[in-house]
Amino acid sequence: ETGVTQSPTHLIKTRGQQVTLRCSSQSGHNTVSWYQQALGQGPQFIFQYYREEENGRGNFPPRFSGLQFPNYSSELNVNALELDDSALYLCASSRPSQGGITEAFFGQGTRLTVV
Amino acid sequence: AQSVAQPEDQVNVAEGNPLTVKCTYSVSGNPYLFWYVQYPNRGLQFLLKYITGDNLVKGSYGFEAEFNKSQTSFHLKKPSALVSDSALYFCAVRDANNFNKFYFGSGTKLNVKP
Repeated sequence: ETGVTQSPTHLIKTRGQQVTLRCSSQSGHNTVSWYQQALGQGPQFIFQYYREEENGRGNFPPRFSGLQFPNYSSELNVNALELDDSALYLCASSRPSQGGITEAFFGQGTRLTVV
Repeated sequence: AQSVAQPEDQVNVAEGNPLTVKCTYSVSGNPYLFWYVQYPNRGLQFLLKYITGDNLVKGSYGFEAEFNKSQTSFHLKKPSALVSDSALYFCAVRDANNFNKFYFGSGTKLNVKP
């Protein structure tokens, strides 16, 4: 296992509702990012947080927002849910690196279904 | 701009035979390339990475990948496939500036038959 845990594992929401997904990073990892993986596709980068600040964003609308807490855990919030938001949401964390390139460690994901 | 392409949606191989899963990349700057594997209803598991140095990179579970700069490829290989290797494989390139920003390919489903 990667040491990155996400909750809940599955979620069903109605169109127009709001949802919060949670991620607990691996110990010592201060960078966390979120990805959306639609069925049959590769993960798409949503945004990244470093030291509690957003530090990079993909092509997602502002209704996708996030938080990172002092213990480096993180939340992904999605407002005004749309049917196309149905996907597997993955959280990834990585450790600080002094010039090295490190891999990201992924959680098991949250499967969101919007009906 | 960074991107990777996985030209095969599916690869079928018999157990015990060698396997190759293809990936090509397009980057501006140095390529930082990764392979991840995804089992059903699971997240992504890191297999290996190429940063610099030897073109043949060895990773987890007996997998290796060959970096080819002239062909801009980073193919995943294994000398002898196992049924348990059946999964979805993703090639990815890391963003030049953001630690955790990866550009993933569309994935290749590997089927290893007994």
